[in-house]
Amino acid sequence: RKEVEQDPGPFNVPEGATVAFNCTYSNSASQSFFWYRQDCRKEPKLLMSVYSSGNEDGRFTAQLNRASQYISLLIRDSKLSDSATYLCVVNIKYGNKLVFGAGTILRVKS
Amino acid sequence: EAGVTQFPSHSVIEKGQTVTLRCDPISGHDNLYWYRRVMGKEIKFLLHFVKESKQDESGMPNNRFLAERTGGTYSTLKVQPAELEDSGVYFCASSRLTGGSYEQYFGPGTRLTVT
Repeated sequence: RKEVEQDPGPFNVPEGATVAFNCTYSNSASQSFFWYRQDCRKEPKLLMSVYSSGNEDGRFTAQLNRASQYISLLIRDSKLSDSATYLCVVNIKYGNKLVFGAGTILRVKS
Repeated sequence: EAGVTQFPSHSVIEKGQTVTLRCDPISGHDNLYWYRRVMGKEIKFLLHFVKESKQDESGMPNNRFLAERTGGTYSTLKVQPAELEDSGVYFCASSRLTGGSYEQYFGPGTRLTVT
């Protein structure tokens, strides 16, 4: 079983749609959680950290459910520029290595 | 603030040759990490430096890979001799040592092709 599992997609959505991605992780001792965004042939870029209380940054909302070991990302009012691969990332111990999911592909179409 | 930089951006070498990749972290970031993405797979951790010390090298595939960070600034990753399966994109990341959520910021990567 992979340490971080994501639905690979692709998710094909029209502009303005709301889309949600989910992710599960296997290590219950994991301490911090992130969503990264990766454009084709580029480096991963930090989109947002995910906190237990849930957090929002503009059109993006992230949720964490420690009991179910489940992380989600909601994107509202999708833009063409949101098209990318979204990586669910877990840090077992603060400051140590990141464990990546394989990514979920999002394609936003006009 | 300048981001993480990596050199070269691309490298094409033949099997059996040696390649050295370089990473310059964000200024003031004592944590430096190397990761690798091979075709069709997720990004995998290779190793972690805290300043000049190796904190965790559990992800290094074998002894053909040697990482250094002399003086605790930039780091190099040498592959010698390179094999076909070493092809992939090598990413470097850095983060602060204390006082934050240890968010890691990635460099643009070095795309290594071994033929």
